[in-house]
Amino acid sequence: NAGVTQTPKFQVLKTGQSMTLQCAQDMNHNSMYWYRQDPGMGLRLIYYSASEGTTDKGEVPNGYNVSRLNKREFSLRLESAAPSQTSVYFCASSAGIGPNEQFFGPGTRLTVL
Amino acid sequence: EDQVTQSPEALRLQEGESSSLNCSYTVSGLRGLFWYRQDPGKGPEFLFTLYSAGEEKEKERLKATLTKKESFLHITAPKPEDSATYLCAVHPGNTPLVFGKGTRLSVIA
Repeated sequence: NAGVTQTPKFQVLKTGQSMTLQCAQDMNHNSMYWYRQDPGMGLRLIYYSASEGTTDKGEVPNGYNVSRLNKREFSLRLESAAPSQTSVYFCASSAGIGPNEQFFGPGTRLTVL
Repeated sequence: EDQVTQSPEALRLQEGESSSLNCSYTVSGLRGLFWYRQDPGKGPEFLFTLYSAGEEKEKERLKATLTKKESFLHITAPKPEDSATYLCAVHPGNTPLVFGKGTRLSVIA
């Protein structure tokens, strides 16, 4: 039982390049989330998926797209990376969108030059 | 607007020196308050959920309490392994969690 897994762990991009961050969970959870964490800013929600087939914007969605591929997988895409997107990205999942605990992955550290 | 404010930003304690971390919140309708621990380079790890004012939960040296405006995370006789960033989050109705910026705790032997 791996919980929430994320790939890659580290990535360096040049401005304008694109990439997709992958996330998978094996807990049969309905809801999945993407956050970014920056020094002094805390965790900020980018996008979330309350259930398979639905996605919604969070606090900071600009410059990102997401895909809920199936119940297990939720990907985050940067179409044209910018230095402002340098951050640590966390994926999380929970049983539902209600007041349920979220389980977090280990994170992806992304640097955009 | 839903807001979560944690204080202090950083706290340095001697081993065995008990203290408390504060999480104050303003939300339209609180459905739950969560505490997480985050070690450097890792994802947050769930500690507690509190649902209503007056509720308390304990785990080893940690005790979380909740009032209508704030939550406290009490750390009794901390050890160096308790050093981490502690995050507070609220669930304000039908939207996902809103996180505070965290308190960075250092416990010195």
